[in-house]
Amino acid sequence: DAKTTQPPSMDCAEGRAANLPCNHSTISGNEYVYWYRQIHSQGPQYIIHGLKNNETNEMASLIITEDRKSSTLILPHATLRDTAVYYCIVRGVQTGANNLFFGTGTRLTVIP
Amino acid sequence: GAVVSQHPSRVICKSGTSVKIECRSLDFQATTMFWYRQFPKQSLMLMATSNEGSKATYEQGVEKDKFLINHASLTLSTLTVTSAHPEDSSFYICSAPEAGKNTEAFFGQGTRLTVV
Repeated sequence: DAKTTQPPSMDCAEGRAANLPCNHSTISGNEYVYWYRQIHSQGPQYIIHGLKNNETNEMASLIITEDRKSSTLILPHATLRDTAVYYCIVRGVQTGANNLFFGTGTRLTVIP
Repeated sequence: GAVVSQHPSRVICKSGTSVKIECRSLDFQATTMFWYRQFPKQSLMLMATSNEGSKATYEQGVEKDKFLINHASLTLSTLTVTSAHPEDSSFYICSAPEAGKNTEAFFGQGTRLTVV
């Protein structure tokens, strides 16, 4: 699986958009980009995933660059409850969400 | 989304005793479940893959005789930490993708194990 690089921490003002970047320059054509988050002392929560096209759901938007070497998770209106560690994970189509390997992630702090 | 329930959420045990942690998929079947461990301020590390009706597969460095995994049904996997020691104190988390679908994994709420 392709390795991902994320900034260790970010701050965001409450009500503003939080843009979390992820680099995955070695991604191959059959690998998805997944995003999960982990609120303190809880299990990870699935946010969104995508292959090539941008994706949006009720939680977030995922923007994948045309060359697929990087992506950005966007939380459009961050709230205090969005404070968490966000993980960007790249996985093959066949493997999918099975046995995910988590990196260090980005610790997002939403500030009142 | 689908729900994975983990029990107990918190347990304190004496050194040398065994602790069993349950992971249940409440509204879907899971032929495979995954067990992770997370030490303070670290990321999740995959320990083992639990396979319904067959032996679990363990990641390198994880002792299979110490961390016993049983996946006797399509909705339940258990992790037993045998002869627990203080260094086994950690946050244990299970996850399960729905059988036949692997587009997202559902995680339990985790179990905080403290060995004293």
